[in-house]
Amino acid sequence: QVQLVQSGAEVKKPGASVKVSCKASGYTLTSYAITWVRQAPGQGLEWMGWISAHNGDTRFAQQLQDRFTMTTDTSTSTAYMQLRSLRSDDTAVYYCARLRLGVLSSAFDYWGQGTLVTVSS
Amino acid sequence: EIVLAQSPGTLSLSPGERATLSCRASQSINLNFLAWYQQKPGQAPRLLIYHASSRATGIPDRFSGSGSGTDFTLTISRLDPEDFAVYYCQQYGSSPITFGQGTRLEIK
Repeated sequence: QVQLVQSGAEVKKPGASVKVSCKASGYTLTSYAITWVRQAPGQGLEWMGWISAHNGDTRFAQQLQDRFTMTTDTSTSTAYMQLRSLRSDDTAVYYCARLRLGVLSSAFDYWGQGTLVTVSS
Repeated sequence: EIVLAQSPGTLSLSPGERATLSCRASQSINLNFLAWYQQKPGQAPRLLIYHASSRATGIPDRFSGSGSGTDFTLTISRLDPEDFAVYYCQQYGSSPITFGQGTRLEIK
């Protein structure tokens, strides 16, 4: 069965960077993209970007693209997101999800369990 | 950027009743790539509906989606106690992908 398993919670100081992993199993990573969504405490869902595991194409939410990086490692079926220059308003649960690109897309059909990133001095 | 407005903000209903949730887009959604998600406290969102009206794998048939262009609806025909949660619509037809602000479905 399809599973996305994320790395554990992180506590970071303002200005630091955080890297979250998302290990995929039960499907061929390169047939899909991985997308990242975050949710601040008590707030709604915010799309951050996606990366094609097939060819590395990316799309970013404009407000994050200067300090947000996504990568994939097909040898370990793992996707990564890194957010730099952390601020207190980056405190959120970060989710990865699977996304099929193109006209047959079925939206974000499988999600990781989420990773809490807390930014605090 | 396509802005999605969900209504109502909160919906109070009893088990067994019918729920109708609305999602209105600021412009037409490409290919009707509109999805609905359910989120319960402490859990990741779960995909219910994609392409406006296609049920995701394992989703009960009491959930249905309809609409096209800019106006979309999620209907839950008979509410089960496990259906009380927050529901989000999302458009994934153009970049940036955007979500609505959510509708909280609570027990009356």
